[in-house]
Amino acid sequence: DQQVKQNSPSLSVQEGRISILNCDYTNSMFDYFLWYKKYPAEGPTFLISISSIKDKNEDGRFTVFLNKSAKHLSLHIVPSQPGDSAVYFCAASASGSARQLTFGSGTQLTVLP
Amino acid sequence: EAGVAQSPRYKIIEKRQSVAFWCNPISGHATLYWYQQILGQGPKLLIQFQNNGVVDDSQLPKDRFSAERLKGVDSTLKIQPAKLEDSAVYLCATKIQGYGYTFGSGTRLTVV
Repeated sequence: DQQVKQNSPSLSVQEGRISILNCDYTNSMFDYFLWYKKYPAEGPTFLISISSIKDKNEDGRFTVFLNKSAKHLSLHIVPSQPGDSAVYFCAASASGSARQLTFGSGTQLTVLP
Repeated sequence: EAGVAQSPRYKIIEKRQSVAFWCNPISGHATLYWYQQILGQGPKLLIQFQNNGVVDDSQLPKDRFSAERLKGVDSTLKIQPAKLEDSAVYLCATKIQGYGYTFGSGTRLTVV
């Protein structure tokens, strides 16, 4: 039972263009969402998060949008840079779950120079 | 602030052998997690500790996996005996408060 889904295993984008990574969830109890970035042979590192009381959070080149009615969130990277090439994981947590994170399966982003 | 330290980085064992992974969390971080990440999948929670007590081990295959966190600091995860399907990256993560984790670099286990 996949509660957090990333349906695109991979995405290729030209340097300087926008990268849009998508994530869907099924558990309506999720109220906090995070994006992690993972380089090979390293652990995931926190990128950006959003609470369910907001619909947008921005940090530099990274913006996360949340559509609660659609149970959908997306990560926008503008402009994309070759160093952004990594696997991006969407994660979610609920208040009653000891704040455990449930992860999606990841999207491999490749930014082409 | 030092990060989460994990060792070894890589381990290759034959099936039915045993293996242990070690995690040294960030000082003061009371909550510690072990996650299993199989290639092509997202990290999956195995066990959660709060200090040296287990909060949730419902997804830990207890017939072969065990974990402990002595004195609420370092933690070890053991597999005995290992199966081919245990090949994965084992990630340790900790947090002090809030919603986000800090992950270690992981241990890549290959069972042959």
